[in-house]
Order: sequence, then structure tokens, then C-alpha cells
Amino acid sequence: GQNIDQPTEMTATEGAIVQINCTYQTSGFNGLFWYQQHAGEAPTFLSYNVLDGLEEKGRFSSFLSRSKGYSYLLLKELQMKDSASYLCAVRNTGFQKLVFGTGTRLLVSP
Amino acid sequence: NAGVMQNPRHLVRRRGQEARLRCSPMKGHSHVYWYRQLPEEGLKFMVYLQKENIIDESGMPKERFSAEFPKEGPSILRIQQVVRGDSAAYFCASSSGPDRANTEAFFGQGTRLTVV
Repeated sequence: GQNIDQPTEMTATEGAIVQINCTYQTSGFNGLFWYQQHAGEAPTFLSYNVLDGLEEKGRFSSFLSRSKGYSYLLLKELQMKDSASYLCAVRNTGFQKLVFGTGTRLLVSP
Repeated sequence: NAGVMQNPRHLVRRRGQEARLRCSPMKGHSHVYWYRQLPEEGLKFMVYLQKENIIDESGMPKERFSAEFPKEGPSILRIQQVVRGDSAAYFCASSSGPDRANTEAFFGQGTRLTVV
């Protein structure tokens, strides 16, 4: 089976740094994705990791440790517009579907 | 290059009616995934299709739900005899296929189904 865990909610202050963790158990692993979803909108792609290590893309970075079944999304220089849900998703081998966690709702305050 | 197009954006149906949701993948994409999102919950996989083939329907309810992706035209998710519990946002995603390991899935804007 597959299980993906993320914190339900996090709060942070504008300009700060926040780290959103994701742990997973899966029978077959073929990559981990992070998506951002604003309320009432479609998920939009943020990052992809398939090998261990850190992937940096502007203010956002994502880290993966396959041996620990662990990833995090790091958001720097937080802006008000970063208030959204952040979805961790694992793609399994075989049929390539994405299995999503329940998402972490991030609230950025002034 | 238009993104993934879903229609309608909002759909209201009375209990017992049929709901038909459409998804046109991005140009060049032949893999379509349907997900359901209940309020305050994560995305739940429903079905994965390629042209004229259902590849994985492990997330589809056994009754009332069906999906197709014909050779021509959009993918259709059909819900027969809708019930209040079917009210949710239904998202479609498309990708270029499993031959590239970093194939990301692009999502449409979703169809918000309300059953009254």
C-alpha cells in the first residue's frame, strides 16, 4: 500500500523561511512531486525529485531522501501570495499515477 | 499551446441525474488521469487512461462511475444517478507518458460538481 503524511496546517510570517515535511511509504517509487494549490484552483507544479538531494528553483527548494522516505519543501522570503495548500505526491512504478497526501495549508501573515 | 481544458467549470445536478465531465489534454499528451478532491481533503486518484484504453481504474467506485478516452475527442468522466456524496471537485491531468522519468502532470482547472 501507500501512505503519505504531511502536517495539516502551518503558519509563518512574511519574509521568513518555512519547511514543509512529507513522509511516505510506497511499494514502488518513481519520483516525488510538490504542487501548490490556491483555494478553488488547480494544482500547479513546483518541483520534482527522483534522486536524493536538494533541488533549488528560485525561492523554492525541495529535498529528497529515498532511504528515509522523506522529503521537504523549503520556501524562502515568504510572500503573502504563498498562502496556499502544498501537496506532496509520490509517483509509483508501473502505472505512473500520482498518490497525493492531504496537503499542508500554509498561512502567511504580515 | 493551450493547457489542460476541462468543462464545464461548474456543474449542478439533481440527485439521480447523470453528470458528464470533459477533459481535453494538452497538445501532444496522450495520458490522462482523473482525480477527485472532496472539500478540505487531498486529491484522490480515480482512473488513468490512454487513447482508447483504461490503464488503471483502481480508484474508481465500482458502480455508477465510468471513464473513456476515445480516439477522437476529449476524455469523459461519467457519473450516473448522482448522489450528494458525489459533490466534489474533479480534476483532470495529462502527461506525455511514462517514457520520460520526469514527466510531470499538468492539471486542468477542475469541474466543481454540486449535487442538490
